[in-house]
Amino acid sequence: DAGITQSPRHKVTETGTPVTLRCHQTENHRYMYWYRQDPGHGLRLIHYSYGVKDTDKGEVSDGYSVSRSKTEDFLLTLESATSSQTSVYFCAAGPVPGHEQFFGPGTRLTVL
Amino acid sequence: AQSVTQLDSHVSVSEGTPVLLRCNYSSSYSPSLFWYVQHPNKGLQLLLKYTSAATLVKGINGFEAEFKKSETSFHLTKPSAHMSDAAEYFCVVSDRGGNKLVFGAGTILRVKS
Repeated sequence: DAGITQSPRHKVTETGTPVTLRCHQTENHRYMYWYRQDPGHGLRLIHYSYGVKDTDKGEVSDGYSVSRSKTEDFLLTLESATSSQTSVYFCAAGPVPGHEQFFGPGTRLTVL
Repeated sequence: AQSVTQLDSHVSVSEGTPVLLRCNYSSSYSPSLFWYVQHPNKGLQLLLKYTSAATLVKGINGFEAEFKKSETSFHLTKPSAHMSDAAEYFCVVSDRGGNKLVFGAGTILRVKS
């Protein structure tokens, strides 16, 4: 969706370093989500936000934290990256929970 | 808890032939169901959605899906495959609280010329 951007699009980092991924939306959606995509698992929810400063955990939240200080921005932080966090990360946003979400283009993260 | 099973990890069809991608879901209430498509190295795009209105749902690019409560299925079909349909397809159900979506593992569709 043209209204959701992610940065960076690709990143290679080393084990133990902190990493922050950014999601930016221009559609003013209230709900925002971070997923990771791994072969054979589809997309799994890491964290989501239901408003500014309001966040909650998803099914694979260990090792990740998030912050949302503005409606349009949702940050995902890996405090100390591990090789198991090598994945493709997708941000999504939507106006109503449990309904369609609009996805960003993804960030490919490699942790060496 | 809600769950989704996509019955085929890979489907291969010839161009011009019908497409059937199978999805079964598990839910203790009336769910919302979606199909998303992901082309290589791209984000996900919504194909269609079911939210308790008509059981036959039409989506973009000629795709449609039928909600069958008795069979707990939401299979995706298209009468005639096109080369541009080659992609990965995800069946998705909303969770009980409606805050989250639960994704199936995906079906990779290959279209042969």
